[in-house]
Amino acid sequence: NAGVTQTPKFRILKIGQSMTLQCTQDMNHNYMYWYRQDPGMGLKLIYYSVGAGITDKGEVPNGYNVSRSTTEDFPLRLELAAPSQTSVYFCASSYSGTGGAYSQPQHFGDGTRLSIL
Amino acid sequence: AQSVTQLGSHVSVSEGALVLLRCNYSSSVPPYLFWYVQYPNQGLQLLLKYTSAATLVKGINGFEAEFKKSETSFHLTKPSAHMSDAAEYFCAVTSGNEKLTFGTGTRLTIIP
Repeated sequence: NAGVTQTPKFRILKIGQSMTLQCTQDMNHNYMYWYRQDPGMGLKLIYYSVGAGITDKGEVPNGYNVSRSTTEDFPLRLELAAPSQTSVYFCASSYSGTGGAYSQPQHFGDGTRLSIL
Repeated sequence: AQSVTQLGSHVSVSEGALVLLRCNYSSSVPPYLFWYVQYPNQGLQLLLKYTSAATLVKGINGFEAEFKKSETSFHLTKPSAHMSDAAEYFCAVTSGNEKLTFGTGTRLTIIP
């Protein structure tokens, strides 16, 4: 019963490098999300997906890209890493609900702590 | 548009005392409201959710929250704090068809 799994847990990057943060879920959820969490700022939505092959921008998409080729996987790619992207990144998933697409609780992974130096 | 305000970024209570974490929301339609808890170096876990079935919602670990439409509030309470309750707590709101909006969080410290 893994839920949402994120890898790696920690990473240090140099400015200008790129990397992919992995996220996979085993609950057959159609909706998946990427957030970043910065101290005192709560969670900001980077990208989200409502199903395989469908992605869309959230509140803070600049500097990131996503893809969703399967229901289970939703990787987040950082191109040309910048110090402003130092953060904790969370992947989450949910069902769409009868009360509205976003009415169901989201399930979160344990996060990837990323430092860019 | 929807928004969430959590009053108090840090709250300290003594072990055994009442825990009260405040959340006020703004929504143009009846909302769905959630409280999540985040322990150090972990992701967010659902504590409880309000979906209009009952105004007093009971969650895990002895927490509960009361939906008050007239005050646009959804405060989280626990009668007696335990050391294991030390964590960060997030309130979140959605109309159902808008993506979830999170508050900025309240860090709860328990004093032995």
